[in-house]
Amino acid sequence: KAGVTQTPRYLIKTRGQQVTLSCSPISGHRSVSWYQQTPGQGLQFLFEYFSETQRNKGNFPGRFSGRQFSNSRSEMNVSTLELGDSALYLCASSKLGLAGVETQYFGPGTRLLVL
Amino acid sequence: GESVGLHLPTLSVQEGDNSIINCAYSNSASDYFIWYKQESGKGPQFIIDIRSNMDKRQGQRVTVLLNKTVKHLSLQIAATQPGDSAVYFCAENQAGTALIFGKGTTLSVSS
Repeated sequence: KAGVTQTPRYLIKTRGQQVTLSCSPISGHRSVSWYQQTPGQGLQFLFEYFSETQRNKGNFPGRFSGRQFSNSRSEMNVSTLELGDSALYLCASSKLGLAGVETQYFGPGTRLLVL
Repeated sequence: GESVGLHLPTLSVQEGDNSIINCAYSNSASDYFIWYKQESGKGPQFIIDIRSNMDKRQGQRVTVLLNKTVKHLSLQIAATQPGDSAVYFCAENQAGTALIFGKGTTLSVSS
């Protein structure tokens, strides 16, 4: 079974631009969660989508948004990029998501650099 | 507040040794714990998990121990190999909430 895939793997943007990242979950998984990973803050939860609905949200500004499609693929968008948004963005999928207690499987991440 | 932390940011061992990576958690309501391994340039990879109704679980060369009394979690890796070199994260979870990750322990294995 194919794992979680994320595209693109690397991105370079400048301040003020916006960016869209994509995540395809493991087949049969309906939940996609997004995380931001930085050396200083570690792994931090952004939001979770389940059946096209945002079900949980972390403590990030409104510039961070996402959506999920009927095939469970998910995108996250960051508008008005700031230097501090440089990070590894990870998505994770699971069958039940945060409503259950189960393992989340991670993709390889998208490395975003904001200049 | 709620947080999951690791006792040591780095751990260096010799190939063939047993490694023990520790983690302390503060949310007594957490009912599920996971260890992830993250290699350079990759996403976290699931290693082993344990639910709060257990105190020990074994996998292939790995064992997770859960001590709910002192809110402590540990990962034991037997016969550590160079390929085990990575950053190890513990994470805690309760139903309906996001995974909370610790800051990670970097395991370095020298041959």
